[in-house]
Amino acid sequence: KAGVTQTPRYLIKTRGQQVTLSCSPISGHRSVSWYQQTPGQGLQFLFEYFSETQRNKGNFPGRFSGRQFSNSRSEMNVSTLELGDSALYLCASSLAGGLVSTDTQYFGPGTRLTVL
Amino acid sequence: AQSVTQPDIHITVSEGASLELRCNYSYGATPYLFWYVQSPGQGLQLLLKYFSGDTLVQGIKGFEAEFKRSQSSFNLRKPSVHWSDAAEYFCAVGSWGKFQFGAGTQVVVTP
Repeated sequence: KAGVTQTPRYLIKTRGQQVTLSCSPISGHRSVSWYQQTPGQGLQFLFEYFSETQRNKGNFPGRFSGRQFSNSRSEMNVSTLELGDSALYLCASSLAGGLVSTDTQYFGPGTRLTVL
Repeated sequence: AQSVTQPDIHITVSEGASLELRCNYSYGATPYLFWYVQSPGQGLQLLLKYFSGDTLVQGIKGFEAEFKRSQSSFNLRKPSVHWSDAAEYFCAVGSWGKFQFGAGTQVVVTP
C-alpha cells in the first residue's frame, strides 16, 4: 500500500509569510504526528492528531498549528515565518500512535522549508 | 523528564566490520524504545523497537539492539556492515502520543 506522502516536497518562503504543509497518512491510519528537523535542534515533536483531535503537543510557539480532517489527512500551518523556521518537516502516521507492539509509526519523506 | 542521549555524533567503520551505536535514555518507567535510520534526503525508517519481553530485539537489515535496564541503554549492533548502511541513525523514546529523538549518529562506511 502507498506510504505517507507529504506535499509539497520543497518550499521557499520569505519572513513574515505563512505556509501550509500537507500530509496524507497510510490508508487506515488515524494518528498523524509532525516533527521539525534542523541541524541545530535535531528532531523535535510538534504535535499529534488522532481522529481529528490534537492529542499531544510539543513545545513550539502558537505560530505552529495543525489540523486533521475526517479522512485522516493532516495539515500543518506556520504563520509569520521566521528564518529559524527553515527546516525539514516530517510527518508520521500510525494506526493509533505507534505505541503498541503491533503498531508502527511510518514517516514521510518530509517537506523542506526554506525561509529567506 | 524523558531524554535520549546518543554519545557518538559520528562513527567511521570499514565495510565488513561490526558496528555498535550507543543510546542512553532517561525515563520514569519502562520506556518504549526505537531505532530509526535516515538516508540523505529521505524520511525515517524504523529498524526495530522494544516494548517489553525479550531484551534482545531483532530488526530489519540485519540490525539488533539490546535493552539493558540497569544501564538505561538500548544499543544498536550489526555484525558486518555494508556500504549501504551509511546513513544517520536515531534512537527514540516513545511515550503516549509523542516520541523524543536523540541527536543522531552519522555512520560513514569506508571500503
